[in-house]
Amino acid sequence: QKEVEQNSGPLSVPEGAIASLNCTYSDRGSQSFFWYRQYSGKSPELIMFIYSNGDKEDGRFTAQLNKASQYVSLLIRDSQPSDSATYLCAVNTGFQKLVFGTGTRLLVSP
Amino acid sequence: GAVVSQHPSWVICKSGTSVKIECRSLDFQATTMFWYRQFPKQSLMLMATSNEGSKATYEQGVEKDKFLINHASLTLSTLTVTSAHPEDSSFYICSANRDRGRGDTQYFGPGTRLTVL
Repeated sequence: QKEVEQNSGPLSVPEGAIASLNCTYSDRGSQSFFWYRQYSGKSPELIMFIYSNGDKEDGRFTAQLNKASQYVSLLIRDSQPSDSATYLCAVNTGFQKLVFGTGTRLLVSP
Repeated sequence: GAVVSQHPSWVICKSGTSVKIECRSLDFQATTMFWYRQFPKQSLMLMATSNEGSKATYEQGVEKDKFLINHASLTLSTLTVTSAHPEDSSFYICSANRDRGRGDTQYFGPGTRLTVL
């Protein structure tokens, strides 16, 4: 069983809509959770991190964490075509390295 | 922010030569850095964890004698691909851990695209 699971997509949303990206993880001892964005041919870029249950907002992005359900999500409001990328969910299980999901490809159409 | 640089950004070499890639944390000290490899349309694959002043920890299946890692200072880790072959052609990405007070946050460099002819 994969430790961090994401739907590979593509998730297609129209410009201006809310994109909802989801991630589940298997290790209940996981401490911190991250969302990275990766454009094609580029390296991952950190968007958000979250440690506590609930919501964390940063501009158009909101990360949501539910440790009881072992679920973390990323909402992108007012989606733009420039948001089209692969979004990687990553989990720190208490060791130095992160466990990454395989990523969800988001396509925002004009 | 936290800036991580890599050099070179791309390199083309002949089969059998060795290539060194540098990873630097520019505005913070990183006791731990990581090296990843990514093939086209595939996921990130962690190759090794590099700790300053100690030997790197390699993931299963990664040849430590082929991919030499040195983390000589708190801001610099290097990956040397020895005797490179065409199958080593890939996108190599480093990252560095920065302690934000509630655990580490990992920041990525821009990557190095290696092409072995």
